[in-house]
Amino acid sequence: DTAVSQTPKYLVTQMGNDKSIKCEQNLGHDTMYWYKQDSKKFLKIMFSYNNKELIINETVPNRFSPKSPDKAHLNLHINSLELGDSAVYFCASSQQGLTGGYTFGSGTRLTVV
Amino acid sequence: GENVEQHPSTLSVQEGDSAVIKCTYSDSASNYFPWYKQELGKRPQLIIDIRSNVGEKKDQRIAVTLNKTAKHFSLHITETQPEDSAVYFCAATPREGGADGLTFGKGTHLIIQP
Repeated sequence: DTAVSQTPKYLVTQMGNDKSIKCEQNLGHDTMYWYKQDSKKFLKIMFSYNNKELIINETVPNRFSPKSPDKAHLNLHINSLELGDSAVYFCASSQQGLTGGYTFGSGTRLTVV
Repeated sequence: GENVEQHPSTLSVQEGDSAVIKCTYSDSASNYFPWYKQELGKRPQLIIDIRSNVGEKKDQRIAVTLNKTAKHFSLHITETQPEDSAVYFCAATPREGGADGLTFGKGTHLIIQP
């Protein structure tokens, strides 16, 4: 069983479109995250969310918005896609106080053309 | 916020030799320091982590050391093998599992020469 799963794995879309990436975790973790990995491999946090708080990295454009229907899911919506949004997006989850750290999904490679 | 610096950006070693990757962090409140390995096209995977109440931790060929006073931590890989070739990331957070998430270094591309 995949602990953190993301769909789709690849996403190619035109500028100006709106798209969503889905993420689900079956680990029972409290907190979920979205990270962006750019072409230089730099991993940067975009959002973290648990049932109590949403923390938004201040550098993330408001075209990006997380949506969490329940504790096991954190989807990423992106409006008005731009060329610079092309990257690999990783979902992750964690449980405070437990060993094992943060578990990452397999990533979604987004290409905006 | 936290800032993590990682060096070197690329490291090439002969198979069987040791590799050392170093990181520094800025936030004295950080208390959890994981290391991730990312192979090409794959997800980052946790290989070892250390908490601020421990100075050193070892797991077979991999070890991590932490100097809280100096705010730096290092990854040591001994007897390197071809399958160790990957990008390695250090990270830090003030709350393990907390909503702050991880702040990553920029990664080290480790190349194991046969």
